[in-house]
Amino acid sequence: KNEVEQSPQNLTAQEGEFITINCSYSVGISALHWLQQHPGGGIVSLFMLSSGKKKHGRLIATINIQEKHSSLHITASHPRDSAVYICAVRYTGGGADGLTFGKGTHLIIQP
Amino acid sequence: DTAVSQTPKYLVTQMGNDKSIKCEQNLGHDTMYWYKQDSKKFLKIMFSYNNKELIINETVPNRFSPKSPDKAHLNLHINSLELGDSAVYFCASSDLEATYNSPLHFGNGTRLTVT
Repeated sequence: KNEVEQSPQNLTAQEGEFITINCSYSVGISALHWLQQHPGGGIVSLFMLSSGKKKHGRLIATINIQEKHSSLHITASHPRDSAVYICAVRYTGGGADGLTFGKGTHLIIQP
Repeated sequence: DTAVSQTPKYLVTQMGNDKSIKCEQNLGHDTMYWYKQDSKKFLKIMFSYNNKELIINETVPNRFSPKSPDKAHLNLHINSLELGDSAVYFCASSDLEATYNSPLHFGNGTRLTVT
C-alpha cells in the first residue's frame, strides 16, 4: 500500500528555533509537494520537488530519492509559521489526482 | 485577482437538502479538483477534471457530482446531504498539460455544516 508518513504529528517550539518536519513514502514517486495550511484554513503550495533541494526565504525543502524521504526546514522560526504542514507525493498512476497525502504536522511557534 | 475562488465560504444546511459549491480559477489551468478535508485535517481527493476526462475517487458517494460549465469552473453539487458530509471542501487547479508535476493552487475552502 502506498502511504505517506509524516513526523512529528505535533510540534511546539519557541520563536527562533530551527524546525524540521519529516516525510517518508513507500515506493518510487515522480514528485513531492509540501503544503501549508494556516489556522484560517487556506492551503498554500510551498514547494514541489523531485530531487535535491529548494529554498524560499526561511523555508528549505530537501528530498532523498534513494531513501524515499523528504524534510521541510524552517530557520529562525516565527509565530506566523504556526500552521499545519502537509506532505503529498505523486505516485505513478495514483488516484484521481495522482497524489497521496500525509496526515499533516501541526506546528505551533510560541513567542 | 484571486487565483482560485470558491463560494460560499461557509454553508450551514439541514440533512436531506441539496446544495452547491462554486469554484472558479483565472490561472488558465487545464485541470481542476475537489478535495474533502475531514475533522482530523486529512485531505482526500474527490474528483479531478479537465476538458478531456473526469476521474472520480471510487470512495465518493454518487450524491456528489461535479459540473463544469467551462474550463475555468468546476462546481460541486451535493444531493440529499448527510451529517457525515460535514467537512471543509477545497477546490484546486493545476496545469497538467504544461507539466505533469504542476503545483496545486487551492481555493480558501468551504466549511459545510450539516445539521
